[in-house]
Parts: sequence; C-alpha cells; structure tokens
Amino acid sequence: DAKTTQPPSMDCAEGRAANLPCNHSTISGNEYVYWYRQIHSQGPQYIIHGLKNNETNEMASLIITEDRKSSTLILPHATLRDTAVYYCIVRISGGYQKVTFGTGTKLQVIP
Amino acid sequence: KAGVTQTPRYLIKTRGQQVTLSCSPISGHRSVSWYQQTPGQGLQFLFEYFSETQRNKGNFPGRFSGRQFSNSRSEMNVSTLELGDSALYLCASRGSNEKLFFGSGTQLSVL
Repeated sequence: DAKTTQPPSMDCAEGRAANLPCNHSTISGNEYVYWYRQIHSQGPQYIIHGLKNNETNEMASLIITEDRKSSTLILPHATLRDTAVYYCIVRISGGYQKVTFGTGTKLQVIP
Repeated sequence: KAGVTQTPRYLIKTRGQQVTLSCSPISGHRSVSWYQQTPGQGLQFLFEYFSETQRNKGNFPGRFSGRQFSNSRSEMNVSTLELGDSALYLCASRGSNEKLFFGSGTQLSVL
C-alpha cells in the first residue's frame, strides 16, 4: 500500500504557480520524499527529492513541513507541458523497498 | 548515456498464453525494478533485482516472475495470462540518490 496520500486532481492556470500537496504522516526518520511526474503513456520522470530541508532545482521546489508529515511540490510558472500525473513517494536511502506510487495527482494546466 | 530501454513497446496476447518483456537499464545501473500500471490501481511494484538476485517482491501472484542477467538486463515473465493482466509494464533502473529512471514501458493487451 502507498504510504502517501495525494488529491486525485487539480487545475492550475498557465503561468501561475502549481502547488501539489502530499501527506506522508507515517514517514520514518530516514525516509526521503521523492516526486515524479508521468506524461501520458510515458514512463515517470524524476523531479526532485528531499529529506527535511526545502529543495529547489531547475524544475521545481519542494517544501517539507517541519514535522515531515506532509510536503508540497511547487511548479513556479506552470506551462501546458506540465500537464501530467504527479506522484509523491517516500523511500529510504539504499536498501530495497516495495515502492508503490499509488494513483498520484492529475494536474491539468489550463490556458 | 542511453536511457532505459524496454521492448517490445506493444504486445497483444490471448488468455492462457505467456509473455516475456525485456528491460535494459542505463549503463552502470545495477538495480532494475518492475511496475504494473492500470487505470484503477496506479503504479504497483512488482519486484526489484540487483546483481542477478531478486531483492524484493510486491503482492502479485506467482505467475509473475523475473530475472536479471550479468549485464544487468532484466526480463519479466507472465504465465497463463488473464484479462486483468492488461496493463502498462514499466521498468526502472536506480541511479545515485535512489533516483529511478523509467523506460517508456510495454503496453500489454490480453484478449
């Protein structure tokens, strides 16, 4: 079973920031939060990950709450090409885990 | 570097048949994991291989099996196909920082 909970769908206006939430209330101290996205009929693509500090890269920002029970992926200026299903997962560093992505959040960017 | 390569891209089989799917990871990656994706269930973990050994397995029946070769290429096999096995099968190789790199998948249709 997935260890994360995400809303099934969200809309965002083109050019605006898209904020995608994820709950991971049972996260362990050594588990990282990873975000992936999947554009229709393609394999998921890595976006960003973090442990407890906020992270930013060229694609997005990741905000993790202080208690680490939830996080938010921020796409600062959403474009039509950001329309995709976004998955939030948690996993430890190293080792072997049954990582289940669940059903993610379908983000629709509207012109 | 070349990405993760999955073959074939599309496959049509009938109930009761068996099927073998192939995955070539990114050069240097030794871990390969497999996932099943259906519209209602999202991305479900099948199994993970590292150094030719299965390291973890998801909650799938024994009809689903896999193996990994010394060059890290992996195959998964589904025997006695059922209609419910129709899905997109994705494989991923694991890189640094536990990032997963996915192939484009094999779309299996069971008639």
